[in-house]
Amino acid sequence: SQQGEEDPQALSIQEGENATMNCSYKTSINNLQWYRQNSGRGLVHLILIRSNEREKHSGRLRVTLDTSKKSSSLLITASRAADTASYFCATSLTGANSKLTFGKGITLSVRP
Amino acid sequence: GAGVSQSPSNKVTEKGKDVELRCDPISGHTALYWYRQSLGQGLEFLIYFQGNSAPDKSGLPSDRFSAERTGGSVSTLTIQRTQQEDSAVYLCASSLPSRPTEAFFGQGTRLTVV
Repeated sequence: SQQGEEDPQALSIQEGENATMNCSYKTSINNLQWYRQNSGRGLVHLILIRSNEREKHSGRLRVTLDTSKKSSSLLITASRAADTASYFCATSLTGANSKLTFGKGITLSVRP
Repeated sequence: GAGVSQSPSNKVTEKGKDVELRCDPISGHTALYWYRQSLGQGLEFLIYFQGNSAPDKSGLPSDRFSAERTGGSVSTLTIQRTQQEDSAVYLCASSLPSRPTEAFFGQGTRLTVV
C-alpha cells in the first residue's frame, strides 16, 4: 500500500475559512512534502518539512509534522476560490536514493 | 525551457500498439521520476533514475513497461502492446542533486488506449 494516506478525501469550504488536510504514513521518513495539482496535470511543490522539524510556514500555508504519530497536517488559512485543487502529501524514506511516494490526494473545493 | 517538458501532451493509440513518451528534465537535475495517475487517483510510482546509480524499477507494473535515460538527461518511457488499462496521465518529474526529493513536475502525457 502507499506510504502516505490523506484525509479527508474531499473537503468543501467557504472562501475565507481555513482548510485543514491530514496525512498519515507508515514507516520512518526523511522528509514529507505537500504538492498541489490543478486540473489533473502537473503537480506543484508547496512545502517540505524535514523529519527533525515540527512546524513550517510559507505564506498562508502551515505544515506540522508529528513523527511519533506518523502524521502531518497542511493548513491553508483564509482560503480563496483559487485554492481549489487536489493536494497530495509525499514522503521520502530514510536512506540514499530514496524515491518519493505519494498518497491518493485530497480534493479541496473553496466556494466563492 | 525552464521547466520539465513532456511530449506528446496527448496520445491516442490503438490497443496492441507500442508508445513512447518523452521527458526533458530541467538542466542540471540528476534525479528523474516517472509516475502514472489514473482518473481521480493518486500517483503511482513507476521508475526513478538518480545520477549514475542503477534505476529503481520497482514500480513498473509489467514487463511491457520500460524506461531509459540517455546521457543523464532525456528519458523515454516505452509501453509495448498497450492495453486499455494503460490509459492514464503519465507524469515526469526531476530534482536537483542537492534536493533529490523536491520534485518539479512536467504537465504530463495523457495516454488513451482505444
